[in-house]
Amino acid sequence: NAGVTQTPKFRVLKTGQSMTLLCAQDMNHEYMYWYRQDPGMGLRLIHYSVGEGTTAKGEVPDGYNVSRLKKQNFLLGLESAAPSQTSVYFCASKRRESSYNSPLHFGNGTRLTVT
Amino acid sequence: GENVEQHPSTLSVQEGDSAVIKCTYSDSASNYFPWYKQELGKRPQLIIDIRSNVGEKKDQRIAVTLNKTAKHFSLHITETQPEDSAVYFCAAFTGGGNKLTFGTGTQLKVEL
Repeated sequence: NAGVTQTPKFRVLKTGQSMTLLCAQDMNHEYMYWYRQDPGMGLRLIHYSVGEGTTAKGEVPDGYNVSRLKKQNFLLGLESAAPSQTSVYFCASKRRESSYNSPLHFGNGTRLTVT
Repeated sequence: GENVEQHPSTLSVQEGDSAVIKCTYSDSASNYFPWYKQELGKRPQLIIDIRSNVGEKKDQRIAVTLNKTAKHFSLHITETQPEDSAVYFCAAFTGGGNKLTFGTGTQLKVEL
């Protein structure tokens, strides 16, 4: 049981290049999330998904796209990378609860640098 | 949307002392409040959580209190140890339970 796995771990892009970050979970969780973490700003939600085939915008969605074609995978795409997207990206998942919520399970993060 | 404020941003204590981190939230519909610990270069790890039907929860040296009326919750760490040094994040679940909004974090340093 690997939990939440993110690939790649590190990446350096030039401005204008594109890339896709992959998140995979083996816990059969319904909900998946992409956050970015910048110094002094905590974790900010980019996009999230409450089920296969559905996505929604979070707090900072501009410049990113996502897809959830399979329940276990959540992809984050950067079509034209900008230096402002230099950050550490975390994927997380959780199961759907009928009443009170359950905690998020995080991946190990992807460190992205855009030059 | 939800706004979670966290204070202080840095906290330095002597080993053995207590540490308290405070958070406030804006959405009265929020019903779940987890706390995460993040060591340098690692992922956030859940250390304790509290649901809105509970006022206090304790797990060994860590406790969390919740005041729904005032919309604030706090993390208390007693008998601090050097391994408690890390960044701590509070969070609140909003939007019908679909989104977790984080505070900006507290860098805790436990000095010998």
